[in-house]
Order: sequence, then structure tokens, then C-alpha cells
Amino acid sequence: GENVEQHPSTLSVQEGDSAVIKCTYSDSASNYFPWYKQELGKRPQLIIDIRSNVGEKKDQRIAVTLNKTAKHFSLHITETQPEDSAVYFCAASYSSASKIIFGSGTRLSIRP
Amino acid sequence: NAGVTQTPKFRVLKTGQSMTLLCAQDMNHEYMYWYRQDPGMGLRLIHYSVGEGTTAKGEVPDGYNVSRLKKQNFLLGLESAAPSQTSVYFCASSWGYSNQPQHFGDGTRLSIL
Repeated sequence: GENVEQHPSTLSVQEGDSAVIKCTYSDSASNYFPWYKQELGKRPQLIIDIRSNVGEKKDQRIAVTLNKTAKHFSLHITETQPEDSAVYFCAASYSSASKIIFGSGTRLSIRP
Repeated sequence: NAGVTQTPKFRVLKTGQSMTLLCAQDMNHEYMYWYRQDPGMGLRLIHYSVGEGTTAKGEVPDGYNVSRLKKQNFLLGLESAAPSQTSVYFCASSWGYSNQPQHFGDGTRLSIL
């Protein structure tokens, strides 16, 4: 069935260190993988996305990698800062329907 | 551009009452979505619409109805509210198919007593 698994559910890293969040998806036809950041009490906001025709995409301190064979993708945040503290959601598109499926989220905390 | 606007922002209902949540977007997006967000469960799709006059069921449609009479508006209705529907509801919209970014509203916090 349609499913996106996200790990870990919580992550605490020292300021300045890197953080990695991993997701797996079930539909081999999925071709779009966005990542959203949600600060406490706010709306989810897109921070980066990747399409199935590329293996990696970077935007300053954020990068996403995609392994289509293994059906998993990851978010990498380098040189973490206090403002990176939030809940992060991965998602995958499903070509059989006009929708995306979200992972259950990762609560990232940055320790000073 | 206001983007995606949801009303109301907060609401408390009694079990059995009905209400309608309104979502409006000014980006001329074709697709609109309603999600609910519960602790530890991420965003779950309730219903969605791929254009004016269309609706489709998502993962958790039971107890909800929707309508998309105008392209810019997507309404979510609870006919007989239940405590299990206590949640934060988010509306989102996108240009087109599932491979386009979704833009979210600020959410509606709904409590059912």
C-alpha cells in the first residue's frame, strides 16, 4: 500500500553538527520527494524537494539525496543552528493518485 | 498575495454539532487538499480536489465531507462532530499534479468536547 516511513522520530544534535533524517517509500512510480519544516504552532513550509531524475540536490546547508533502487531518500542539514529546531516531514508523490503521502515527522532539537 | 487562508483559526464544538471549515487560495491553483495533524502521526489526507467541481477521498475521509464549488475555495464539513475529530486541520493547494509543491494555510485548531 501507499506508505512513507520516516526515522528517527526525534533527533537531538549539538549546534554546529550535522543532522540526517531518512525516509523510505513503497511506490516505485513515485517521482517527487519534498521536505517540509514545521516550527511550533506554524504551518508546514517547503524547504527543499527532489525529483526522481536526479540523485542529489543542495541548497546552502540543506541537501537531499535519493536512491531510487532502494526507494529511500534522506535530508542532510550541516552546521546546524538553533533556528533549525523544528519538526521535519518527508513526503512522496503517488502517480496512481493526485496526492503525496507524508512521513510521520522528525522532531529535531539543536543543543547549544 | 495572501496565499492560502483558513477560517476560523480556532473552534470548540460539542459532540454532535456541525461546522464548516473554509479554505481560500488566491494563487489560481488547480489542486486543493485537506489534512489533519495529530501528535506523532504527521499529516494525513482527508479529502482533496483536482479542480473546480471535483472531490476525492484521501486516507481518512470518514466523518467529513467537502465541496469545491469555486476554484479558489475548498470547504471541509463535519456533519456530526465527534471527540476523535479533535485535531489541527491544514488546507493546502498546488499548481497541478502530485509532483508540485504544496502551499499550506496556517491551520484550524478544532476541539470537540
